[in-house]
Amino acid sequence: DTAVSQTPKYLVTQMGNDKSIKCEQNLGHDTMYWYKQDSKKFLKIMFSYNNKELIINETVPNRFSPKSPDKAHLNLHINSLELGDSAVYFCASSQVAGLNEQFFGPGTRLTVL
Amino acid sequence: KNQVEQSPQSLIILEGKNCTLQCNYTVSPFSNLRWYKQDTGRGPVSLTIMTFSENTKSNGRYTATLDADTKQSSLHITASQLSDSASYICVVKSVNAGNMLTFGGGTRLMVKP
Repeated sequence: DTAVSQTPKYLVTQMGNDKSIKCEQNLGHDTMYWYKQDSKKFLKIMFSYNNKELIINETVPNRFSPKSPDKAHLNLHINSLELGDSAVYFCASSQVAGLNEQFFGPGTRLTVL
Repeated sequence: KNQVEQSPQSLIILEGKNCTLQCNYTVSPFSNLRWYKQDTGRGPVSLTIMTFSENTKSNGRYTATLDADTKQSSLHITASQLSDSASYICVVKSVNAGNMLTFGGGTRLMVKP
């Protein structure tokens, strides 16, 4: 009955590869997010997405792209991986109305070699 | 520029003791402030959410305060337990930011027996 789930939990890959991280939420929320947490533990928003609007943090390279097959899923595709992409990536979801409390997934630790 | 600063960066206390974590923010116009607890290797979990009109909110042994005039918040942990060892992240939402949140860098708390 996990609310927000991500796969894989760990991902180790070579520079230049293309990879995807999957996220699913069963909370019935209308908005999903991707965050990056770097080695200093700062959480930075990458994308906010619902079926009407994609908001992109302008600092995110266009090698990163969110793909949403339906309301419950928001996958993160990364092309041409670079060393600096190594981080923990968190998916989250919320209802856009009200207090907008966000529920986070367990994270995916990406290591680029 | 919207910013959230937390102090101290890290804190070590003995089990059973109380502690207070601080959060100062410059996010404006203010919508709400939330405290998250992030255990090692896991996603953040919401502890409290406070709006402009609330100046204190409790969740078990956790009590958050908010002074919207001075733009300060604190999280007080009473009778600490070993399981309180985690990072505590202050997060502020602006009225104008859509679904975007501004995250503090967190306070890493270690509770020792």
